[in-house]
Amino acid sequence: NAGVTQTPKFQVLKTGQSMTLQCAQDMNHEYMSWYRQDPGMGLRLIHYSVGAGITDQGEVPNGYNVSRSTTEDFPLRLLSAAPSQTSVYFCASSYQEGRPQHFGDGTRLSIL
Amino acid sequence: GQQVMQIPQYQHVQEGEDFTTYCNSSTTLSNIQWYKQRPGGHPVFLIQLVKSGEVKKQKRLTFQFGEAKKNSSLHITATQTTDVGTYFCADSGGTSYGKLTFGQGTILTVHP
Repeated sequence: NAGVTQTPKFQVLKTGQSMTLQCAQDMNHEYMSWYRQDPGMGLRLIHYSVGAGITDQGEVPNGYNVSRSTTEDFPLRLLSAAPSQTSVYFCASSYQEGRPQHFGDGTRLSIL
Repeated sequence: GQQVMQIPQYQHVQEGEDFTTYCNSSTTLSNIQWYKQRPGGHPVFLIQLVKSGEVKKQKRLTFQFGEAKKNSSLHITATQTTDVGTYFCADSGGTSYGKLTFGQGTILTVHP
């Protein structure tokens, strides 16, 4: 099993560009989530999903969109990148809400 | 919303010394999960505490949940260089059941 796979691992964007961060898991987990990690601030929840077709906002959702058309995939879209979105993004999954989460390797994103 | 405060932010120890990180909340924690993130890596689940006063051990690591469920701690006995990394606590309850709220993390450096 690959677990949680995130692509790309690194990305540099210009302000105003859009892009999609990919996340896929092969553990048949219902719960998936996106976090951003900034120095000194821990991990902050952006969006999460409790199953295919169901998504909801987390603590810092502005500037990001998500969709969940399948159990396996949970992409994160940046609509118009801003320097404040420079961060490390982690996707995570668990078989149920509140259960231990399995994290992907992360995407290191820089917005110039 | 739910806030989880973690102290200290940094800890430098000599190999063989003990280390403790604390997780505190002004409101009752539902349950606490602890994660470890190696430098450049992703968070990895260590343990979950659910019951008031619960104590769990994993080799040199001891995890405690306070009697009032407002604090938790992770203690490492006789640190080794392999313990280097950031330790996070996360609460998965409160008003937003299932959405993990992470502390800011404690960065542990172990000098050989």
